[in-house]
Amino acid sequence: AAGVIQSPRHLIKEKRETATLKCYPIPRHDTVYWYQQGPGQDPQFLISFYEKMQSDKGSIPDRFSAQQFSDYHSELNMSSLELGDSALYFCASSLGQDTGELFFGEGSRLTVL
Amino acid sequence: RKEVEQDPGPFNVPEGATVAFNCTYSNSASQSFFWYRQDCRKEPKLLMSVYSSGNEDGRFTAQLNRASQYISLLIRDSKLSDSATYLCVVLLYSSASKIIFGSGTRLSIRP
Repeated sequence: AAGVIQSPRHLIKEKRETATLKCYPIPRHDTVYWYQQGPGQDPQFLISFYEKMQSDKGSIPDRFSAQQFSDYHSELNMSSLELGDSALYFCASSLGQDTGELFFGEGSRLTVL
Repeated sequence: RKEVEQDPGPFNVPEGATVAFNCTYSNSASQSFFWYRQDCRKEPKLLMSVYSSGNEDGRFTAQLNRASQYISLLIRDSKLSDSATYLCVVLLYSSASKIIFGSGTRLSIRP
């Protein structure tokens, strides 16, 4: 069965550069979530979309933005990158937004030098 | 106080042992509860939902105690492949921002 697809899997950027992460949810899933997980930490919720509209916002920095497109894929745009942005970024999708049953992608590992 | 708290471990137990760990939550309005498993440098994967009546899936048993506000996970006859971090997840309301992850409990099964 198709899972959540994230790209790129690995990304190396320098400080103050920009980065874009992509997420393709499981077909027919209508809700997409973005999480950031630093080393040894639990996943921190950044932002979510339901039916292509932003549904909730967590601890996403103002330097970051995200959107969901008509084909339900989502992109997380990160600008003015800082060393502290180095983390594993997970996208997850679910069927409906009133659920804790999330299906995660394998993550995009961002390293900021 | 964190909204969802877990003993970080690590729990180091021999293969075949039974191990249990708890997760406490602070908000009594929490609605749904889940256990996720995360292998090192991998994505979290849903292990099981936790129902009020308790539920079992093979060697795994999850329990919910609303009065004391904790959930538990019991693993029987542990296998080497059970070594992972187990994340407790709580859904507070019908809102994505209220899906709260615990910091995880590390479990290591030794031969």
